[in-house]
Amino acid sequence: NAGVTQTPKFQVLKTGQSMTLQCAQDMNHEYMSWYRQDPGMGLRLIHYSVGAGITDQGEVPNGYNVSRSTTEDFPLRLLSAAPSQTSVYFCASRTTTGKLFFGSGTQLSVL
Amino acid sequence: SQQGEEDPQALSIQEGENATMNCSYKTSINNLQWYRQNSGRGLVHLILIRSNEREKHSGRLRVTLDTSKKSSSLLITASRAADTASYFCATDAAGNTPLVFGKGTRLSVIA
Repeated sequence: NAGVTQTPKFQVLKTGQSMTLQCAQDMNHEYMSWYRQDPGMGLRLIHYSVGAGITDQGEVPNGYNVSRSTTEDFPLRLLSAAPSQTSVYFCASRTTTGKLFFGSGTQLSVL
Repeated sequence: SQQGEEDPQALSIQEGENATMNCSYKTSINNLQWYRQNSGRGLVHLILIRSNEREKHSGRLRVTLDTSKKSSSLLITASRAADTASYFCATDAAGNTPLVFGKGTRLSVIA
């Protein structure tokens, strides 16, 4: 079991560029989510999904798009990157008992 | 907005001492969880306590939950340098509702 795999680990974008952060899990979890972590802010929920074909917004969804075509994959798309999106992004999947498994994170800088 | 708030924001202790971190939350919960994050890494699940439980143990960890005060505490006994990390509490309301994290407590254990 690889658990939750995020790619890339590091990314630098210019303002206005778009990109997709990849997230895959091999634990057959229905629930997946994306968080961003900023200094002094803890983790804030961007989007989540309770199963294939179902997504919903979290606390800070603006500027991000998600889709869930398979149980395994939950990519996060930045539509037009802004400096305010400079952050560390974590993908997580959740067991039926509520426990989250996190990926190792993507450090994103938008210049 | 954050549901849980950890206290203190930062804690520095000597190896072998006990470390206590507190978490307060605002609304009714289904369960409360504690996670650890080593610098630059993803969060790792430590322990989950359900709303109908008052205390739970796992190795050197002891978690208490007081739903009347909407608060929880995490005690790490006989701390080690390897316990140096940030600790987060997280709550969810019920079922597949998202997990909401606090801002964390930074623990430093000095050898």
